[in-house]
Amino acid sequence: IAGITQAPTSQILAAGRRMTLRCTQDMRHNAMYWYRQDLGLGLRLIHYSNTAGTTGKGEVPDGYSVSRANTDDFPLTLASAVPSQTSVYFCASSDTGGSTDTQYFGPGTRLTVL
Amino acid sequence: GQNIDQPTEMTATEGAIVQINCTYQTSGFNGLFWYQQHAGEAPTFLSYNVLDGLEEKGRFSSFLSRSKGYSYLLLKELQMKDSASYLCAVMDSNYQLIWGAGTKLIIKP
Repeated sequence: IAGITQAPTSQILAAGRRMTLRCTQDMRHNAMYWYRQDLGLGLRLIHYSNTAGTTGKGEVPDGYSVSRANTDDFPLTLASAVPSQTSVYFCASSDTGGSTDTQYFGPGTRLTVL
Repeated sequence: GQNIDQPTEMTATEGAIVQINCTYQTSGFNGLFWYQQHAGEAPTFLSYNVLDGLEEKGRFSSFLSRSKGYSYLLLKELQMKDSASYLCAVMDSNYQLIWGAGTKLIIKP
């Protein structure tokens, strides 16, 4: 079944450590996104990519970096984790990134930074 | 700034009808989306409105008034499995989705 996978499912991380969250989609979608979801707040866009080889900053990019070497993969890296990065992270993809596009979400990664 | 408002929590009875409201103020408008999110799971797409009016899809309908910055999601013949959070999101002028905090819907027997 086509879709988006994320790894790991959950992780507890010591502050200051480096961490990469993985995201892979097999729908051949051009656009991919990383969101964080915190209690009481809406999903907030961290970074996005409209096509392989390009990336852009969302609403809350500080402390995070991304790369898009190919269509399928869109890893998110925390260079030096801090407790405020404790959150649930969702990767999503859409066909073109245009106005009528539906975004499809992966199952999420629950990250705790201590 | 950009803002999406929706009620934090609503309670309804199985078999009944519930309306979840969403108001928005965004820089530009390229459509409004409703997603459903069960606890511990990913959001899943429910509906999309870009023109004023009502879009019906089975037990779920979504309404949009662009002049009022207002939308609602109408759920009919409520079932226990409809217990979830419902997320309203607006696509702004940069083609980025701005999300509300979600409305937690509790269905009672």
